[in-house]
Amino acid sequence: QVQLVESGGGVVQPGRSLRLSCAASGFTFNTYGMHWVRQAPGKGLEWVALIWYDGSNKWYADSVKGRFTISRDSSKNTLYLQMNSLRAEDTAVYYCARDAFYYASGGYWLDYWGQGTLVTVSS
Amino acid sequence: DIVMTQSPDSLAVSLGERATINCKSSQSVFSSSNNKNYLAWYQQKPGQPPNLLIYWASTRESGVPDRFTGSGSGTDFTLTISSLQAEDVAVYYCHQYYDTPHTFGQGTKVEIK
Repeated sequence: QVQLVESGGGVVQPGRSLRLSCAASGFTFNTYGMHWVRQAPGKGLEWVALIWYDGSNKWYADSVKGRFTISRDSSKNTLYLQMNSLRAEDTAVYYCARDAFYYASGGYWLDYWGQGTLVTVSS
Repeated sequence: DIVMTQSPDSLAVSLGERATINCKSSQSVFSSSNNKNYLAWYQQKPGQPPNLLIYWASTRESGVPDRFTGSGSGTDFTLTISSLQAEDVAVYYCHQYYDTPHTFGQGTKVEIK
């Protein structure tokens, strides 16, 4: 069965960096695009980033562009989100999610989600 | 960016009654190349990640009860729960994947009256 397990969250000061990981299992990782989606406490869902199945293309929300980097390591079946210059408004639960289509040249709906990891940006 | 606006923000429905949630996109999410609407619906219960209900605006995900129905095209979409059950209490989100950045609606909270 498909499993996505996020890790790396925690409390970090404004301006500092943090790297999130998402360990994937139960499917052929290097054939699916992957997304990060976040949810601030008590708020709705915000799409953050997408990486194609082969890592060749990446897209970001305007709110994180230039500060966050999505990447993947197919040898480790792991998705990453490097977050730099963190701000208070980046405080959220960060979910990784699988794109629905394999070998897709684009992004589609999100069919599997992890449980999320909480990032708190505070001094 | 495509802005997704849901209405209402919350609604209370009696058990067994119909619940209707609307989602409007700021531009069409219909593709004439494949005649598909690039819209999905998710259900999120407290303390849980979102769960996929509907994709291509009206295709029910495997295992989703048939009381959940998606409809609409272009810029206007609807999620209908035909007979509300206690386990349907949740927040529901629409999601457009027509263009990047992907965007979600603000969510609609469904409660029991």
